[in-house]
Amino acid sequence: GQQVMQIPQYQHVQEGEDFTTYCNSSTTLSNIQWYKQRPGGHPVFLIQLVKSGEVKKQKRLTFQFGEAKKNSSLHITATQTTDVGTYFCAGPNNNAGNMLTFGGGTRLMVKP
Amino acid sequence: SQTIHQWPATLVQPVGSPLSLECTVEGTSNPNLYWYRQAAGRGLQLLFYSVGIGQISSEVPQNLSASRPQDRQFILSSKKLLLSDSGFYLCAWSAYWGAHGYTFGSGTRLTVV
Repeated sequence: GQQVMQIPQYQHVQEGEDFTTYCNSSTTLSNIQWYKQRPGGHPVFLIQLVKSGEVKKQKRLTFQFGEAKKNSSLHITATQTTDVGTYFCAGPNNNAGNMLTFGGGTRLMVKP
Repeated sequence: SQTIHQWPATLVQPVGSPLSLECTVEGTSNPNLYWYRQAAGRGLQLLFYSVGIGQISSEVPQNLSASRPQDRQFILSSKKLLLSDSGFYLCAWSAYWGAHGYTFGSGTRLTVV
């Protein structure tokens, strides 16, 4: 079945350092979505990428969708303590387009 | 605007007791509805999804069940809880075309003792 994998599973950074999480799908995706879950909270939708090679920015966050539409990345520039949380990527399930297959998430910890 | 309500926020239940978690959505019609479970520090496991009233699909065989008695109401149930049912239960909705992602409820933290 379709698999969506994320690396790394955990990342500790010093405040001000950059951070990147990578997402890889076993199948081509029509789109990729990213979510952030703060500790003790629920996942919150951040963004959706649709086009091959697409790059979108939200302040210090840069999202990329690979040319082959099988991989994606989220890069945070100059991390802050407010960036702490788990970042999930998700892609539509090939068998049921309204369903998402989530990656395992990358937990980001920021030392002040 | 659309909102999703999920309750209770926390729940401690003894092994063998029944469970009923409720989720309601406001401000939209015919949403796709989902139940996810998240073990501590882990990813999101899809349990059930529904595309309409009375239409439930199960992703993982277990002692849980789901029902959708009304368009914007989704209920997760169990007749007898197991210790392994402990976790963080999240309800979510999406529009049919899914263009704006999933909106998750605030979750129910269930501890089975």
